[in-house]
Formats: sequence, C-alpha cells, structure tokens
Amino acid sequence: EVQLVESGGDLVQPGGSLRLSCAASGFTFSSYWIHWVRQAPGKGLVWVSRINSDGSTTSYADSVKGRFTISRDNAKNTLYLQMNSLRAEDMAVYYCARVRGGWYADSWGQGTLVTVSS
Amino acid sequence: QSALTQPPSASGSPGQSVTISCAGTTSDVGAYNYVSWYQQHPGKAPKLIVYEVTKRPSGVPDRFSGSRSGNTASLTVSGLQAEDEADYYCSSYAGNNNLVFGGGTKLTVL
Repeated sequence: EVQLVESGGDLVQPGGSLRLSCAASGFTFSSYWIHWVRQAPGKGLVWVSRINSDGSTTSYADSVKGRFTISRDNAKNTLYLQMNSLRAEDMAVYYCARVRGGWYADSWGQGTLVTVSS
Repeated sequence: QSALTQPPSASGSPGQSVTISCAGTTSDVGAYNYVSWYQQHPGKAPKLIVYEVTKRPSGVPDRFSGSRSGNTASLTVSGLQAEDEADYYCSSYAGNNNLVFGGGTKLTVL
C-alpha cells in the first residue's frame, strides 16, 4: 500500500524557518516525482513545489521561490521542504503527493499543519 | 500562475447529474492534456478522481467523468449520491514546470 506521511509542522514566528519531511513507503520512492501542495485554513489547494525522481530538477510557485527548497533522500525514502523567511500567508496544511506522468497526484499524505504567528 | 476558475458551489438532488466547470487559458487547460480533478471530504486529504482530462483511476466509479472544450474543463457527476458531497478541485499543468489548481467547488447533495 502506498503511504506518504508528513511531519515537521509546528508553530513558528514570522521570519522563522521550518523543515517538513514526507516519509514514503509501499512503492519505489526513487522512481517518482513528488509535489508539495498546501491548503490554508478554509481555502483551496495551492501547488508549492515539485522535484523529479533523482532530485536533479525542481520547480516552485512564484510565491515561495527563493524562500523554500525542496529536496529528497532516496536512500531514506524521504522528501523534504525547507521553508525560510516564513510569512503569515504561508500558514497552511502542507501535503506531499506522488506525481504521475501527467503532473497529476495519485497518492497524498494526510498533511502537516504549519502555523505562522507571533 | 493564476488559479483556474471554478464556481464556488454546485448542488443537485440524489440521482441527478451535476457539472462543475474549470476555466483556464491557452497556456494551461487549453494547451495540455494534463487536467486532473480531485475530491476532498472535510478534514481529509484530496483524492484523485480524473486525470489527463478524461481518464479515471481504478476504483473511481464511472459516475465521475471529465471532459474539455477549448480552455474549459468540466467534471460531471452522474447519479448523485450522498457521499459525493465534498469539495472538488481541478488542476492543470501550466508550462514552465508549473502546476495550477482551481479555487475549488463545494458540491452539496440536496
């Protein structure tokens, strides 16, 4: 069974940093691209970032470019999102999701909540 | 990276059909066969229900169908059931290694 389990969400002050993790199991992690998608409380889904299977190429939404860094450790079957210079508008549940060929996400984690507040 | 446009709400009675639209541009929905739809129940993770405009993952009932005309994609739910009440999101590849979602539609089964 495909499983993605996010962790690392926490309360952080504006301007602070946080690193999220996404532990994968039940499939060959190193063969798949992965998205990060976020959802602010009561709001819709917003794509954040994606990484290819070996970690050599990444892309980001304009709203996080230069502040967030996506990476992966295929030996540990784990995806990361390093978030710096956090803003109130970054507050959301962050999901990792497995990507298939057409940029669609066929499996999602349960999400981890990031709260940005002083 | 502008969001795709969805109606905020839709509704129908059990057994009826309802269609949710997803308006994009020639740079996203109209340019690529990479439109997908997700269903999200309250407090749950999204679930893929349609990919590549018209395809359904295994296990998704054929009551759910996707289509596209020009720059607008649509999701039709036929034979509405109570468990279909949820939020629905479209997404599309938007070129330059970017993905864009719609704002979401809350489907109410009356």
